[in-house]
Amino acid sequence: TQLLEQSPQFLSIQEGENLTVYCNSSSVFSSLQWYRQEPGEGPVLLVTVVTGGEVKKLKRLTFQFGDARKDSSLHITAAQPGDTGLYLCAGTDYKLSFGAGTTVTVRA
Amino acid sequence: NAGVTQTPKFQVLKTGQSMTLQCAQDMNHEYMSWYRQDPGMGLRLIHYSVGAGITDQGEVPNGYNVSRSTTEDFPLRLLSAAPSQTSVYFCASRGQGSQETQYFGPGTRLLVL
Repeated sequence: TQLLEQSPQFLSIQEGENLTVYCNSSSVFSSLQWYRQEPGEGPVLLVTVVTGGEVKKLKRLTFQFGDARKDSSLHITAAQPGDTGLYLCAGTDYKLSFGAGTTVTVRA
Repeated sequence: NAGVTQTPKFQVLKTGQSMTLQCAQDMNHEYMSWYRQDPGMGLRLIHYSVGAGITDQGEVPNGYNVSRSTTEDFPLRLLSAAPSQTSVYFCASRGQGSQETQYFGPGTRLLVL
């Protein structure tokens, strides 16, 4: 049983469209991390959110941590083919607990 | 810095064989961990270590052993390989704080026949 549920599992959009990926849990985490993984490589950290209600922006990516620190979202504005990859959320309570991931495909 | 390195990149084993997956990091990180990644399952923690001489079990430890004799190295041993251990294995390291950036190696693809 996954501690963190990610939705949707797959997302395919056209270049220039917006997308949102969700990460939900019944547990409270001290912080939450988002990673992106490309085929044949290990995950790479995108951001860590710590405070309930926190919003962080990384160029066209916006990350939000829920007020209760149980859920998070990743929003990509004007997606580009380079955004294609597997997006993973991970809750941190010393050890990381990962969601199953959302596979995002951005078509040119 | 090389970061986190893993060897081999690919391995094919027969059921019952044993092998060791190597992991090394050159960032002087105390915390190291091993994950396996299977389709639709995300990354599941196998074993982790908070420093040399200290290891602990993660979510799916059965069939795997680890040791940590140095800060740099954290090998994962498969004692008697089973087809259920076919997976991609990732080693990772970070500083002591849970919010520290975790760096992953490139992975080892293992097929057990």
